[in-house]
Amino acid sequence: KAGVTQTPRYLIKTRGQQVTLSCSPISGHRSVSWYQQTPGQGLQFLFEYFSETQRNKGNFPGRFSGRQFSNSRSEMNVSTLELGDSALYLCASRPGSFTGELFFGEGSRLTVL
Amino acid sequence: DQQVKQNSPSLSVQEGRISILNCDYTNSMFDYFLWYKKYPAEGPTFLISISSIKDKNEDGRFTVFLNKSAKHLSLHIVPSQPGDSAVYFCAASPRRGGSQGNLIFGKGTKLSVKP
Repeated sequence: KAGVTQTPRYLIKTRGQQVTLSCSPISGHRSVSWYQQTPGQGLQFLFEYFSETQRNKGNFPGRFSGRQFSNSRSEMNVSTLELGDSALYLCASRPGSFTGELFFGEGSRLTVL
Repeated sequence: DQQVKQNSPSLSVQEGRISILNCDYTNSMFDYFLWYKKYPAEGPTFLISISSIKDKNEDGRFTVFLNKSAKHLSLHIVPSQPGDSAVYFCAASPRRGGSQGNLIFGKGTKLSVKP
């Protein structure tokens, strides 16, 4: 069974640009969550999607957005990039909305110059 | 305001000895706690969890203890092996019923197990 797949794995952007990250959950998993990992703040919750609906949102500015498609694949977008957005963005999936531990992908490493 | 705190950024232990990783939380509404392990260039992997109705959960070499009155949990690894060297994250679920999509993570403790 394939794990959570995130693309791209690495990317470099400049301030003011926007970026879209993609996540394919484990087959059969309907819930997808996104986290941002930075050295200073650790892992911080961005949002969670279940059946194409955003169920929870963390304390991030509106520049951070996401969506989920009918096949459970998810994307997150960050607009007007800032230097502080440089981080590892982790996607995690699980079978249902209230069951099961999170299975994480390897992450997308974003560097903003 | 950190709701889940791992006060030790790093821990070094000799192979074969016990590793004890600690975690404190502030929110009494947390009812489910998890430990994740992370190797460099990989995503975190689930290790062990505990519900607030229990005070201990064991899985092989790994045991998690929960002290609700002190709002403290700890992960014990016995015996420690070099392959256990990784960053360990403590996480808590803020919802009743164990919803785990919205986890609050600590900043992690880097464990080094020396041969």
